[in-house]
Amino acid sequence: AQSVAQPEDQVNVAEGNPLTVKCTYSVSGNPYLFWYVQYPNRGLQFLLKYITGDNLVKGSYGFEAEFNKSQTSFHLKKPSALVSDSALYFCAVRDQTGANNLFFGTGTRLTVIP
Amino acid sequence: SQTIHQWPATLVQPVGSPLSLECTVEGTSNPNLYWYRQAAGRGLQLLFYSVGIGQISSEVPQNLSASRPQDRQFILSSKKLLLSDSGFYLCAWGRALDSRRGTEAFFGQGTRLTVV
Repeated sequence: AQSVAQPEDQVNVAEGNPLTVKCTYSVSGNPYLFWYVQYPNRGLQFLLKYITGDNLVKGSYGFEAEFNKSQTSFHLKKPSALVSDSALYFCAVRDQTGANNLFFGTGTRLTVIP
Repeated sequence: SQTIHQWPATLVQPVGSPLSLECTVEGTSNPNLYWYRQAAGRGLQLLFYSVGIGQISSEVPQNLSASRPQDRQFILSSKKLLLSDSGFYLCAWGRALDSRRGTEAFFGQGTRLTVV
């Protein structure tokens, strides 16, 4: 079975500093990994995904994520945080059975402090 | 381009009343459709998914049901709501292409359901 873990419920970072939101995964085959962002009372917005190829994936709003197979991690990063980046971030892994379901981590709340 | 519509945005219903939440997708055909529930503003739980008209798979036993009467319409229902049904319900769609198993899902704006 596949799963993802987001070990931090809350991440605080000062505006302008680099940010990292952690995610580790467990899958039996090739991992298909995703990051989503959710603003209050809104749906999830897709940020980026890793399917194959370069380990560093670039996405929307200046975010990127680094796939590390040996550490089974897919951490979300941004070089310089903005106050507007404050939101709930979800890591997800795709179902391996073919129904294309996504299974989500428990989320990490990012707060960027002005 | 593809869009997904979900309504209503908020709903307050008494315990024991029925529920019907609707989701429609435009700009694509034969999508995979999903209903998720998010409790307490955190983790998402997959409730139902559908790979075609009339085909519904349930991930967890519960007081809810889903139907897909048309290719791009997905409905979440309940005959009698429970207090525990309160939450934020999200509809999503994804491309049903076997060769592209790494496709992402696209979400609607969600429905905040409060059962009182």
